[in-house]
Amino acid sequence: EDQVTQSPEALRLQEGESSSLNCSYTVSGLRGLFWYRQDPGKGPEFLFTLYSAGEEKEKERLKATLTKKESFLHITAPKPEDSATYLCAVQARRYGGSQGNLIFGKGTKLSVKP
Amino acid sequence: EAQVTQNPRYLITVTGKKLTVTCSQNMNHEYMSWYRQDPGLGLRQIYYSMNVEVTDKGDVPEGYKVSRKEKRNFPLILESPSPNQTSLYFCASSHSGGAREQYFGPGTRLTVT
Repeated sequence: EDQVTQSPEALRLQEGESSSLNCSYTVSGLRGLFWYRQDPGKGPEFLFTLYSAGEEKEKERLKATLTKKESFLHITAPKPEDSATYLCAVQARRYGGSQGNLIFGKGTKLSVKP
Repeated sequence: EAQVTQNPRYLITVTGKKLTVTCSQNMNHEYMSWYRQDPGLGLRQIYYSMNVEVTDKGDVPEGYKVSRKEKRNFPLILESPSPNQTSLYFCASSHSGGAREQYFGPGTRLTVT
């Protein structure tokens, strides 16, 4: 069964204190792994797509990496405005014509204190 | 402005009263999808549509219907809502069903009493 597990569930950091969020996945053939940011009461906002092991992508203070079993979202010198829930999702390769749906993890709630 | 819109944003209804939540996107996206988000369970896909007249079940389709008659619209229909369908619902769209980023709407908070 395809599965996505994110850890930790919650993370509290001081401003400037770098850290990493983990997303481990079990999927029968990875089509893509996605990272989203979600602010309270809002829809998820797309951050990154990773397709194959070894791939890395960066955006401002965020860097996403991918291995065959997990992905990391590294946050360098975070600021209070980085506080949000970060969601990881995978899309599996499916056969027979139908596209695999997105499977989301439960998210990591990040709080950055000034 | 490129966006996904949903209506209504908030809805309180009673068990059994049919309702429709509308979703519209202005990005000419082929792929559209509906999710529900519940505390402790995360986001789960209800239905998705690869293109006009093409829909398929996600992980939790029971109790829901969808239709895709136009490319820009993808309404979610609850023919006989029940309290266990109380949730936060999101519509999303992307260029294709392949591994492309999905853009989410602002959400519809539904309460069924």
